Amino acid sequence: DTGVSQNPRHKITKRGQNVTFRCDPISEHNRLYWYRQTLGQGPEFLTYFQNEAQLEKSRLLSDRFSAERPKGSFSTLEIQRTEQGDSAMYLCASSLETSGSLETQYFGPGTRLLVL
Amino acid sequence: AQSVTQLDSHVSVSEGTPVLLRCNYSSSYSPSLFWYVQHPNKGLQLLLKYTSAATLVKGINGFEAEFKKSETSFHLTKPSAHMSDAAEYFCVRAPRASKIIFGSGTRLSIRP
Repeated sequence: DTGVSQNPRHKITKRGQNVTFRCDPISEHNRLYWYRQTLGQGPEFLTYFQNEAQLEKSRLLSDRFSAERPKGSFSTLEIQRTEQGDSAMYLCASSLETSGSLETQYFGPGTRLLVL
Repeated sequence: AQSVTQLDSHVSVSEGTPVLLRCNYSSSYSPSLFWYVQHPNKGLQLLLKYTSAATLVKGINGFEAEFKKSETSFHLTKPSAHMSDAAEYFCVRAPRASKIIFGSGTRLSIRP
């Protein structure tokens, strides 16, 4: 399967613990995005990378959140000192940015986080 | 503010009847617009996208959407609903890469 993959698919943690999620994009895609989706809502943009550079972060991304894409391939999203309000589905998407065209984002299945 | 509004949180139709999912956008210029579908336990999948080449956009699985600038709308339609169409549908606008804005979604139910 050559789509976007995310691990783990589900994560249950206790408040105050740190969690890390991984996203493997489609191999030739140079852009990678993270979103958060809560129940009954559409996904909300968190951050995105062009290759290994993190180009923009949403105000939703508090200091407890950090994302990396060290080699321009897979990415990790870490949440430190989790809070119950962090419970959500975390979605990753990738795209191939080419000059002058609007690229399509391809989404992974998501990681569902539950903070107890 | 630039936003996208899905007018119905839930739409229910009978199998074989037409589907209409409504989306309005607010923008001071022609936006790039998408429709995505999300089936339970599956990733979001692109149905179609509008990039100003044509106002009527055909997508996968028989869906299409018409861009109407005068009405600032981008409604999604399908002539005949199938049971497999039951899912959550999102209207999305993307003026640029870091400004992806999803609507709140419309849940489509199909009655046998």
